[in-house]
Amino acid sequence: KNQVEQSPQSLIILEGKNCTLQCNYTVSPFSNLRWYKQDTGRGPVSLTIMTFSENTKSNGRYTATLDADTKQSSLHITASQLSDSASYICVVVGGYNKLIFGAGTRLAVHP
Amino acid sequence: GAVVSQHPSWVICKSGTSVKIECRSLDFQATTMFWYRQFPKQSLMLMATSNEGSKATYEQGVEKDKFLINHASLTLSTLTVTSAHPEDSSFYICSARSVGANVLTFGAGSRLTVL
Repeated sequence: KNQVEQSPQSLIILEGKNCTLQCNYTVSPFSNLRWYKQDTGRGPVSLTIMTFSENTKSNGRYTATLDADTKQSSLHITASQLSDSASYICVVVGGYNKLIFGAGTRLAVHP
Repeated sequence: GAVVSQHPSWVICKSGTSVKIECRSLDFQATTMFWYRQFPKQSLMLMATSNEGSKATYEQGVEKDKFLINHASLTLSTLTVTSAHPEDSSFYICSARSVGANVLTFGAGSRLTVL
């Protein structure tokens, strides 16, 4: 069964600290993996898109990694800011461009 | 970059009325648009896939007569919630995929409250 599991479910960190969010998947076939940031009451915004051959991709303070062998991805946030408070959703695109969504990690950055 | 606009961003209606939500790709053509529903603190649930010029494909458990989808052009898809009831209150989000590209852009969402 195609599944995307994210951990932790929620996370609280202090402003300026780093954090890492995890995404494990069992999707096959695999096309690409995407990380989205969703602010409360808004639509998701793309952070990174990674294909099978890519191990690391950065977007500012966000760095995503992908291990296609173990089917794991992580999103690392460096020097967190209050505006990073949001839900982070891992999405795996499988066969026929079907999107499988993770449940998301809710991140709260406190001053 | 690709922009998807949803309208209205929020709507309150009486039970039994119908509500239409529009999803527009502003600066690109989208052969495929997707409609999602999101409950509080949960992830997005795909409701249907909308292809320009053809009937939408609904996910299992989604009533097609309840949630009418029209994708009349390459830049516009609409979702109509017919005879809305309080349990239809939710956050509805659309996304659009560019023609020939691997970019999927989401709208800002529409919050529906049925009284």
